Amino acid sequence: AQSVTQPDIHITVSEGASLELRCNYSYGATPYLFWYVQSPGQGLQLLLKYFSGDTLVQGIKGFEAEFKRSQSSFNLRKPSVHWSDAAEYFCAVGSYSGAGSYQLTFGKGTKLSVIP
Amino acid sequence: DTAVSQTPKYLVTQMGNDKSIKCEQNLGHDTMYWYKQDSKKFLKIMFSYNNKELIINETVPNRFSPKSPDKAHLNLHINSLELGDSAVYFCASSHSSGGPYGYTFGSGTRLTVV
Repeated sequence: AQSVTQPDIHITVSEGASLELRCNYSYGATPYLFWYVQSPGQGLQLLLKYFSGDTLVQGIKGFEAEFKRSQSSFNLRKPSVHWSDAAEYFCAVGSYSGAGSYQLTFGKGTKLSVIP
Repeated sequence: DTAVSQTPKYLVTQMGNDKSIKCEQNLGHDTMYWYKQDSKKFLKIMFSYNNKELIINETVPNRFSPKSPDKAHLNLHINSLELGDSAVYFCASSHSSGGPYGYTFGSGTRLTVV
């Protein structure tokens, strides 16, 4: 069965500093990988996704992620964090469930706090 | 236009009541899903439907019953609500061929059972 591990429950960075959020997955086939962001009381916003091709994926809001098959990782990065980036970040792996249905399995999330 | 819309956004109800959450998508997708986010923010799939056919039915109490009148709608009906049902419920939809393209979530329904 597929699983996602986000090792860091809570990360605090200063505004303007670089950011890396870790994500490791377990899945037998080529994974579909996602990063979502959730601000307090809000829904899930897709930051970026990887299905195939270039292993460095660019997303919205200046985020990028790199797929490393050998490490089963899909870490999210941003070179310079803004105060508005403070939110909960979720990594997810998509797997085929049959009959056209794809299930996303989420990690437990990493809460990002930003110090002004 | 909202791609995946859920109503209501907030729902406060007493234990033992029956309630429904509605979901509609205008993306032309043929697969729809319900996810639950618990108080610890953990997200887990509950159900998926493809062209009105139930595909995924995770271990949820059978007080929860999804209904899909057509491929653009997937409603969630909950009977005899319990305190532990308090959570945020997200609807989602996607294409069914070639991969989870266009996987889109609604903005969520926050259910509070008192």
